[in-house]
Amino acid sequence: QSALTQPASVSGSPGQSITISCTGTSSDVGGYNYVSWYQQHPGKAPKLMIYDVTNRPSGVSNRFSGSKSGNTASLTISGLQAEDEADYYCSSYTSSSTVVFGGGTKLTVL
Amino acid sequence: QVTLKESGPALVKPTQTLTLTCTFSGFSLITSGMRVSWIRQPPGKALEWLARIDWDDDKFYSTSLKTRLTISKDTSKNQVVLTMTNMDPVDTATYYCARMGRTVGYFDYWGQGTLVTVSS
Repeated sequence: QSALTQPASVSGSPGQSITISCTGTSSDVGGYNYVSWYQQHPGKAPKLMIYDVTNRPSGVSNRFSGSKSGNTASLTISGLQAEDEADYYCSSYTSSSTVVFGGGTKLTVL
Repeated sequence: QVTLKESGPALVKPTQTLTLTCTFSGFSLITSGMRVSWIRQPPGKALEWLARIDWDDDKFYSTSLKTRLTISKDTSKNQVVLTMTNMDPVDTATYYCARMGRTVGYFDYWGQGTLVTVSS
């Protein structure tokens, strides 16, 4: 199972919006509405930000939103804040009953 | 309040078998729909899913690591154990256990992780 494809890095200024893409195949992202997104600050465990493509857990800012089209899922962060600077990972359930992660995207807030 | 905590050796030698324990609270693995996974992250690299065990004792493994992994649970102790055989320096990573949510698509609670270094 190959890792999902994410851009290595994205950046934006405070207040702006950014979008991180996550591309898979019809056997994972395209085949199930089981895409999730995680935020990871240095030295910390990942934190769930979006699940089942579009759902936000309780306590996560509504500045974070998720979507999917075909084999590509996306995470959008609006109104960028300094605290959003972190690594972001997508993941998807697969047709093999496994889970595959993306390679991760480093978000820099300029 | 859901919590998970990993424990195990910080250092293992090449070819040895690694045994990690995830001790959790705030939920039970006898409850229908509960699932726990192991995930690892080499230093500076991406997350990699390893294995999953369900409330009904169903088990699932990473395709690439299947031959080396065994996952099990002890519901009386609220623990999930992962063993990985034939350890190699490339297996050096922080190992996390995480609870899966109501669907199979996400991990809603994570442990703090435990760093395992493979070196002679």
